Amino acid sequence: DADVTQTPRNRITKTGKRIMLECSQTKGHDRMYWYRQDPGLGLRLIYYSFDVKDINKGEISDGYSVSRQAQAKFSLSLESAIPNQTALYFCATSDLQGDTDTQYFGPGTRLTVL
Amino acid sequence: GENVEQHPSTLSVQEGDSAVIKCTYSDSASNYFPWYKQELGKRPQLIIDIRSNVGEKKDQRIAVTLNKTAKHFSLHITETQPEDSAVYFCAASKEQAGTALIFGKGTTLSVSS
Repeated sequence: DADVTQTPRNRITKTGKRIMLECSQTKGHDRMYWYRQDPGLGLRLIYYSFDVKDINKGEISDGYSVSRQAQAKFSLSLESAIPNQTALYFCATSDLQGDTDTQYFGPGTRLTVL
Repeated sequence: GENVEQHPSTLSVQEGDSAVIKCTYSDSASNYFPWYKQELGKRPQLIIDIRSNVGEKKDQRIAVTLNKTAKHFSLHITETQPEDSAVYFCAASKEQAGTALIFGKGTTLSVSS
């Protein structure tokens, strides 16, 4: 779904570095989410935001922070990356106005922390 | 908070057979239950969903059933084809209540021809 984009698509970094993953959407959706995917652990919710002034912690928020810069932009930061944050990260959006929780995912960012 | 358990973690079937994936949820207030399919190297995409006011929903070879009393829901795929091979995720939420989807751990379905 080209309406939800993530940058970068791949990133290799070192322990202790600060990393920012960015998500942009042109779907006009209010709600945005960050998930991480690990083999055998499924999709785990990190943070979510229902509008620009709303930020909520998910299942595994420790070690992460987020910023909702605009309706269309939601960034995930790792202040000091550690190896167990190596994972595939997905951004997703959903439409509050449509009264549905159906989520649309971006293409993912593969992050490797050495 | 909500907890979603999904079984089995892997499932292998022959082409043409049926496949069933089951999920249970913990929060009796959850009312929205989608299923996502993730092909290798791709993003998850919604394939079917069900809300708590219905017990079953079908879309061609795919169906989902919901048992609110037992707090479980299932995905049924009939006449499986090799292109059905993927990871399938169930999820649950309290729609319109200001909560987010919680996903199960996924089922890797392999369909051999």
